Amino acid sequence: GAVVSQHPSRVICKSGTSVKIECRSLDFQATTMFWYRQFPKQSLMLMATSNEGSKATYEQGVEKDKFLINHASLTLSTLTVTSAHPEDSSFYICSAGTGTEAFFGQGTRLTVV
Amino acid sequence: GQSLEQPSEVTAVEGAIVQINCTYQTSGFYGLSWYQQHDGGAPTFLSYNALDGLEETGRFSSFLSRSDSYGYLLLQELQMKDSASYFCAVRDLYNFNKFYFGSGTKLNVKP
Repeated sequence: GAVVSQHPSRVICKSGTSVKIECRSLDFQATTMFWYRQFPKQSLMLMATSNEGSKATYEQGVEKDKFLINHASLTLSTLTVTSAHPEDSSFYICSAGTGTEAFFGQGTRLTVV
Repeated sequence: GQSLEQPSEVTAVEGAIVQINCTYQTSGFYGLSWYQQHDGGAPTFLSYNALDGLEETGRFSSFLSRSDSYGYLLLQELQMKDSASYFCAVRDLYNFNKFYFGSGTKLNVKP
Protein backbone atom coordinates (compact mmCIF):
# COMPACT_ATOMS: atom_id res chain seq x y z
CA GLY A 1 0.00 0.00 0.00
CA ALA A 2 0.90 3.65 -0.22
CA VAL A 3 3.45 4.88 2.29
CA VAL A 4 3.90 8.24 3.93
CA SER A 5 7.20 8.84 5.68
CA GLN A 6 7.69 11.46 8.35
CA HIS A 7 10.99 12.67 9.75
CA PRO A 8 12.22 13.04 12.42
CA SER A 9 10.28 10.73 14.70
CA ARG A 10 11.44 12.55 17.80
CA VAL A 11 13.00 15.95 18.35
CA ILE A 12 13.92 17.94 21.40
CA CYS A 13 14.65 21.62 20.98
CA LYS A 14 15.29 24.63 23.12
CA SER A 15 12.63 27.24 23.64
CA GLY A 16 12.87 29.97 21.02
CA THR A 17 14.36 27.82 18.28
CA SER A 18 12.64 26.52 15.14
CA VAL A 19 12.06 22.94 14.17
CA LYS A 20 11.33 21.52 10.72
CA ILE A 21 9.36 18.32 10.18
CA GLU A 22 9.26 16.58 6.82
CA CYS A 23 6.48 14.52 5.31
CA ARG A 24 7.07 12.50 2.17
CA SER A 25 4.80 10.38 0.04
CA LEU A 26 7.05 7.55 -1.05
CA ASP A 27 5.18 5.85 -3.86
CA PHE A 28 2.54 8.30 -4.98
CA GLN A 29 2.18 11.97 -5.74
CA ALA A 30 0.17 14.14 -3.40
CA THR A 31 -1.13 17.53 -4.42
CA THR A 32 -2.43 17.98 -0.90
CA MET A 33 -1.08 16.82 2.42
CA PHE A 34 -2.45 17.45 5.86
CA TRP A 35 -0.89 18.28 9.19
CA TYR A 36 -2.42 17.26 12.49
CA ARG A 37 -1.45 17.89 16.08
CA GLN A 38 -2.25 15.60 18.96
CA PHE A 39 -1.81 16.45 22.63
CA PRO A 40 -1.54 13.55 25.10
CA LYS A 41 -4.72 11.55 25.45
CA GLN A 42 -6.53 13.85 23.04
CA SER A 43 -7.74 13.66 19.48
CA LEU A 44 -5.95 14.53 16.29
CA MET A 45 -6.68 18.12 15.43
CA LEU A 46 -6.37 19.17 11.83
CA MET A 47 -4.01 22.12 11.64
CA ALA A 48 -3.71 22.86 7.96
CA THR A 49 -3.94 21.64 4.41
CA SER A 50 -0.67 21.79 2.54
CA ASN A 51 -1.16 22.59 -1.15
CA GLU A 52 1.54 21.85 -3.67
CA GLY A 53 2.73 25.03 -5.35
CA SER A 54 0.47 27.35 -3.37
CA LYS A 55 -0.20 28.62 0.11
CA ALA A 56 -1.34 26.31 2.84
CA THR A 57 -4.87 26.56 4.17
CA TYR A 58 -5.02 26.82 7.94
CA GLU A 59 -7.83 25.73 10.22
CA GLN A 60 -9.42 28.31 12.45
CA GLY A 61 -7.29 29.16 15.45
CA VAL A 62 -3.99 27.92 13.98
CA GLU A 63 -1.33 30.62 13.67
CA LYS A 64 0.06 30.55 10.15
CA ASP A 65 3.14 32.55 11.13
CA LYS A 66 3.86 30.08 13.90
CA PHE A 67 3.44 26.95 11.83
CA LEU A 68 5.01 27.50 8.44
CA ILE A 69 4.07 24.98 5.78
CA ASN A 70 5.86 24.50 2.49
CA HIS A 71 4.80 22.03 -0.19
CA ALA A 72 7.47 22.48 -2.82
CA SER A 73 6.99 19.21 -4.66
CA LEU A 74 4.36 16.55 -5.19
CA THR A 75 6.05 14.27 -2.68
CA LEU A 76 7.25 16.58 0.08
CA SER A 77 5.60 18.88 2.58
CA THR A 78 7.39 20.48 5.50
CA LEU A 79 6.05 21.95 8.72
CA THR A 80 8.27 24.41 10.56
CA VAL A 81 7.41 25.28 14.12
CA THR A 82 8.92 28.72 14.58
CA SER A 83 10.10 30.15 17.88
CA ALA A 84 8.96 27.02 19.65
CA HIS A 85 7.74 27.18 23.22
CA PRO A 86 6.96 24.41 25.70
CA GLU A 87 3.25 24.65 24.90
CA ASP A 88 4.10 23.60 21.33
CA SER A 89 5.27 20.24 22.65
CA SER A 90 3.00 17.73 20.99
CA PHE A 91 2.72 14.84 18.54
CA TYR A 92 2.60 16.12 14.97
CA ILE A 93 1.31 13.81 12.24
CA CYS A 94 1.02 14.30 8.51
CA SER A 95 -1.19 12.49 6.07
CA ALA A 96 -1.61 12.21 2.35
CA GLY A 97 -4.09 10.37 0.24
CA THR A 98 -4.70 8.80 -3.11
CA GLY A 99 -8.32 9.88 -3.34
CA THR A 100 -9.67 6.62 -2.01
CA GLU A 101 -7.68 6.36 1.19
CA ALA A 102 -5.54 8.52 3.43
CA PHE A 103 -2.22 7.34 4.85
CA PHE A 104 -0.50 8.69 7.91
CA GLY A 105 3.13 9.28 8.64
CA GLN A 106 4.71 7.80 11.74
CA GLY A 107 4.37 11.07 13.62
CA THR A 108 6.92 13.40 15.22
CA ARG A 109 7.13 13.79 18.96
CA LEU A 110 8.26 17.37 19.60
CA THR A 111 9.47 18.33 23.04
CA VAL A 112 10.41 21.95 23.69
CA VAL A 113 12.53 22.52 26.77
CA GLY B 1 -17.78 23.25 11.33
CA GLN B 2 -17.24 19.67 12.33
CA SER B 3 -18.17 17.97 15.60
CA LEU B 4 -17.81 14.29 16.41
CA GLU B 5 -18.73 12.65 19.70
CA GLN B 6 -17.49 9.32 21.03
CA PRO B 7 -17.45 7.74 24.48
CA SER B 8 -14.18 8.51 26.19
CA GLU B 9 -13.45 5.03 27.49
CA VAL B 10 -14.76 1.49 27.20
CA THR B 11 -13.66 -1.64 29.06
CA ALA B 12 -14.34 -5.22 27.97
CA VAL B 13 -12.92 -8.69 28.48
CA GLU B 14 -11.06 -10.89 26.05
CA GLY B 15 -13.34 -12.72 23.66
CA ALA B 16 -16.19 -10.29 24.13
CA ILE B 17 -17.86 -7.96 21.61
CA VAL B 18 -17.73 -4.21 22.01
CA GLN B 19 -19.43 -1.40 20.11
CA ILE B 20 -18.01 2.12 19.92
CA ASN B 21 -20.50 4.76 18.85
CA CYS B 22 -19.88 7.97 16.98
CA THR B 23 -22.29 10.82 16.31
CA TYR B 24 -21.33 13.69 14.09
CA GLN B 25 -22.40 17.11 12.95
CA THR B 26 -20.70 18.33 9.84
CA SER B 27 -21.01 20.91 7.11
CA GLY B 28 -19.73 18.58 4.40
CA PHE B 29 -19.88 14.83 4.81
CA TYR B 30 -18.57 12.24 2.39
CA GLY B 31 -17.99 9.25 4.59
CA LEU B 32 -16.97 7.97 8.00
CA SER B 33 -13.69 6.22 8.71
CA TRP B 34 -12.39 4.43 11.76
CA TYR B 35 -8.78 4.44 12.91
CA GLN B 36 -6.91 2.60 15.62
CA GLN B 37 -4.04 4.20 17.49
CA HIS B 38 -1.78 2.52 20.00
CA ASP B 39 0.04 4.69 22.52
CA GLY B 40 2.87 6.58 20.84
CA GLY B 41 1.96 5.31 17.38
CA ALA B 42 0.34 6.71 14.28
CA PRO B 43 -3.30 6.04 13.40
CA THR B 44 -3.93 2.97 11.29
CA PHE B 45 -6.94 2.53 9.06
CA LEU B 46 -9.63 0.06 10.12
CA SER B 47 -12.80 0.64 8.15
CA TYR B 48 -14.74 3.08 6.03
CA ASN B 49 -18.42 3.70 5.23
CA ALA B 50 -19.66 6.03 2.54
CA LEU B 51 -23.12 4.48 2.30
CA ASP B 52 -25.61 3.38 4.92
CA GLY B 53 -25.18 -0.11 6.25
CA LEU B 54 -22.63 -2.47 7.65
CA GLU B 55 -19.12 -3.04 6.37
CA GLU B 56 -17.34 -6.13 7.66
CA THR B 57 -13.58 -6.60 7.71
CA GLY B 58 -12.59 -9.65 9.68
CA ARG B 59 -13.21 -9.12 13.39
CA PHE B 60 -14.05 -5.47 12.82
CA SER B 61 -17.29 -4.12 11.37
CA SER B 62 -18.48 -0.58 10.92
CA PHE B 63 -21.98 0.77 10.49
CA LEU B 64 -23.27 4.06 9.17
CA SER B 65 -26.65 5.78 9.17
CA ARG B 66 -26.39 9.03 7.26
CA SER B 67 -29.92 10.10 8.15
CA ASP B 68 -29.08 9.78 11.85
CA SER B 69 -25.53 11.17 11.52
CA TYR B 70 -24.44 8.12 13.44
CA GLY B 71 -22.01 5.28 13.08
CA TYR B 72 -20.37 2.61 15.14
CA LEU B 73 -17.39 0.31 15.16
CA LEU B 74 -17.98 -3.25 16.27
CA LEU B 75 -15.07 -5.30 17.51
CA GLN B 76 -15.62 -9.03 17.95
CA GLU B 77 -13.58 -11.73 19.65
CA LEU B 78 -11.61 -9.10 21.51
CA GLN B 79 -7.92 -9.69 22.01
CA MET B 80 -5.52 -8.02 24.40
CA LYS B 81 -3.77 -6.36 21.45
CA ASP B 82 -7.00 -4.52 20.67
CA SER B 83 -6.37 -2.28 23.67
CA ALA B 84 -5.87 1.08 21.98
CA SER B 85 -7.65 4.31 21.15
CA TYR B 86 -10.23 4.29 18.40
CA PHE B 87 -11.17 7.36 16.43
CA CYS B 88 -14.03 7.97 14.07
CA ALA B 89 -13.24 10.51 11.39
CA VAL B 90 -15.43 12.34 8.93
CA ARG B 91 -14.15 12.47 5.39
CA ASP B 92 -14.59 15.93 3.97
CA LEU B 93 -17.02 16.27 1.09
CA TYR B 94 -14.80 18.70 -0.80
CA ASN B 95 -11.44 17.08 -0.21
CA PHE B 96 -11.48 13.30 0.00
CA ASN B 97 -8.13 13.13 1.75
CA LYS B 98 -9.09 15.51 4.56
CA PHE B 99 -10.41 14.07 7.80
CA TYR B 100 -11.84 15.54 10.96
CA PHE B 101 -11.38 13.27 13.93
CA GLY B 102 -13.62 12.46 16.85
CA SER B 103 -12.51 12.75 20.44
CA GLY B 104 -11.40 9.13 20.56
CA THR B 105 -12.40 6.13 22.65
CA LYS B 106 -9.88 4.38 24.84
CA LEU B 107 -10.59 0.64 24.77
CA ASN B 108 -9.25 -1.41 27.64
CA VAL B 109 -9.33 -5.17 27.10
CA LYS B 110 -8.96 -7.21 30.26
CA PRO B 111 -8.12 -10.92 30.60
